[in-house]
Amino acid sequence: AQTVTQSQPEMSVQEAETVTLSCTYDTSESDYYLFWYKQPPSRQMILVIRQEAYKQQNATENRFSVNFQKAAKSFSLKISDSQLGDAAMYFCAYRSRSSGDKLTFGTGTRLAVRP
Amino acid sequence: NAGVTQTPKFRVLKTGQSMTLLCAQDMNHEYMYWYRQDPGMGLRLIHYSVGEGTTAKGEVPDGYNVSRLKKQNFLLGLESAAPSQTSVYFCASRIPVGGSSEQFFGPGTRLTVL
Repeated sequence: AQTVTQSQPEMSVQEAETVTLSCTYDTSESDYYLFWYKQPPSRQMILVIRQEAYKQQNATENRFSVNFQKAAKSFSLKISDSQLGDAAMYFCAYRSRSSGDKLTFGTGTRLAVRP
Repeated sequence: NAGVTQTPKFRVLKTGQSMTLLCAQDMNHEYMYWYRQDPGMGLRLIHYSVGEGTTAKGEVPDGYNVSRLKKQNFLLGLESAAPSQTSVYFCASRIPVGGSSEQFFGPGTRLTVL
């Protein structure tokens, strides 16, 4: 079974600085997809960024980028120029074609942004 | 376009009572999902549906039933609530186009079972 591990329960960053959130996963599949979701205090789950495993190029969405290391099964999220509105829980998630369309989530990292 | 909506937003039950959570989406999505979120455990899949009239078990299906009689609605039922079912429940939906297509989530329902 696939597992997703987020080893940092909490992180803190100074406003305008850069922070990296870690995620590792365990799979024997070669065709899969990885996601980062943000959950602010409102509880709404918001997709931040996604990565297809067959793509070597790291995904980027404005201030958010990933470092996808397929051989190491690592998928970290980098937030540049951190803003107060980035404070939230961040979840890493995995989906593969053979997993029956199921998303497997990590346990989350709570990010605090210091003004 | 309301997206994914959930009814109710909050509910308190006594042990043994039953209830149904309603999820509705207006995006014509084929796939729908029910998750529960517990502290320190992320989101776990309860049941899901890949189309009207179909349902399948997820990671933690025990104690729950679901129905998908209409494409836009996905119901989650608790027949005899237990304190272990105290959680926040999320519904989600997506179109089955490519494995990277986004799941859209509802705002969640906080359920407390006393």
